[in-house]
Amino acid sequence: EDQVTQSPEALRLQEGESSSLNCSYTVSGLRGLFWYRQDPGKGPEFLFTLYSAGEEKEKERLKATLTKKESFLHITAPKPEDSATYLCAGGGFQKLVFGTGTRLLVSP
Amino acid sequence: DSGVTQTPKHLITATGQRVTLRCSPRSGDLSVYWYQQSLDQGLQFLIQYYNGEERAKGNILERFSAQQFPDLHSELNLSSLELGDSALYFCASSAKAGDTQYFGPGTRLTVL
Repeated sequence: EDQVTQSPEALRLQEGESSSLNCSYTVSGLRGLFWYRQDPGKGPEFLFTLYSAGEEKEKERLKATLTKKESFLHITAPKPEDSATYLCAGGGFQKLVFGTGTRLLVSP
Repeated sequence: DSGVTQTPKHLITATGQRVTLRCSPRSGDLSVYWYQQSLDQGLQFLIQYYNGEERAKGNILERFSAQQFPDLHSELNLSSLELGDSALYFCASSAKAGDTQYFGPGTRLTVL
């Protein structure tokens, strides 16, 4: 059965305190691993797509990496505006299988 | 702004009723996906259409149906509504199947 597991469920950081979010996946026919950011009551906002193990992508304070079984979202020197739920999803040619997300709160 | 639009933003209705949610994909995208997000289950895939044809079904109830029209917009029809159908419903689109999916702002459905 396809499964995506994210940890931790919630993370509280001080502004400037770097950390990593984990996503482990078992998705048959995996084509890509996707990261999204979601603010309360809003639609998921696309961050990154990773296609092969060893691939890395960066955007501002975020860097996503991929291994054969896991992906990590590294947050460097976060700011309060980075507070959101971060969703990981494994995708084939049809659906995305989402994890339940990591709720990140960054305090000033 | 992802370029995907959904209407209405909010919908409040009663049990047993029927509603229609509408989605317009990003310009040029042929594939449309519907997802349901409830507090206890996260984002769940419902159904996918590609250029007017149904391509994949997920955990979609028989009371729910969807279609994609020639202009590529899509509608999700929910009937015989139950309290448990209250959720956020998202539409996403991609250029072709398997590409990055871009999500709309969602429709919040409340069934009273």
